[in-house]
Amino acid sequence: QQKVQQSPESLIVPEGGMASLNCTSSDRNVDYFWWYRQHSGKSPKMLMSIFSNGEKEEGRFTVHLNKASLHTSLHIRDSQPSDSALYLCAASGYNQGKLIFGQGTKLSIKP
Amino acid sequence: NAGVIQTPRHKVTGKGQEATLWCEPISGHSAVFWYRQTIVQGLEFLTYFRNQAPIDDSGMPKERFSAQMPNQSHSTLKIQSTQPQDSAVYLCASSLETANTEVFFGKGTRLTVV
Repeated sequence: QQKVQQSPESLIVPEGGMASLNCTSSDRNVDYFWWYRQHSGKSPKMLMSIFSNGEKEEGRFTVHLNKASLHTSLHIRDSQPSDSALYLCAASGYNQGKLIFGQGTKLSIKP
Repeated sequence: NAGVIQTPRHKVTGKGQEATLWCEPISGHSAVFWYRQTIVQGLEFLTYFRNQAPIDDSGMPKERFSAQMPNQSHSTLKIQSTQPQDSAVYLCASSLETANTEVFFGKGTRLTVV
């Protein structure tokens, strides 16, 4: 059973549009959430992390976290073709090093 | 900083042969992780070490997979009697410490079992 669920599986957004990706953990022991981006043929690279309830913004990227529901979302505004990639959500527990990843959302930005 | 270094980048083995994958973590990082990525299963956790000690191998297939970290500068993942279903990209990663610090991934080793 996948403990980290992501939706949608794939998403097509026009260039300049807003992309919204979702992630939920079914493990109540999770404390930290991570968003990684993986371009085709490359290794995953961390995009953003969030540990507290609320919102965190870095440039065009905004992450939300609701710890009560263990739900996080990633929003990308003014999407660019270079944002086309696999977006992986991961969760980890307090003092637990391992990241458990969801299946990912494949984002395609159409020029 | 060369990042996490994995060798070889590609490996082809015959069914039943042994495969050894190598990883050099980022200098100064105390946590080292192994993951496996396939289209069907996604990115799966295999095992991790902290300060060279094995901490959690809950993701490792028990019978044919083993991992070691003989010193702070390298780790190996060994797969005995490889099977076609072992074909995947094996990713090594490291971080300064466990818990809430960024995990950096290597470029991976693509293993193909024929």
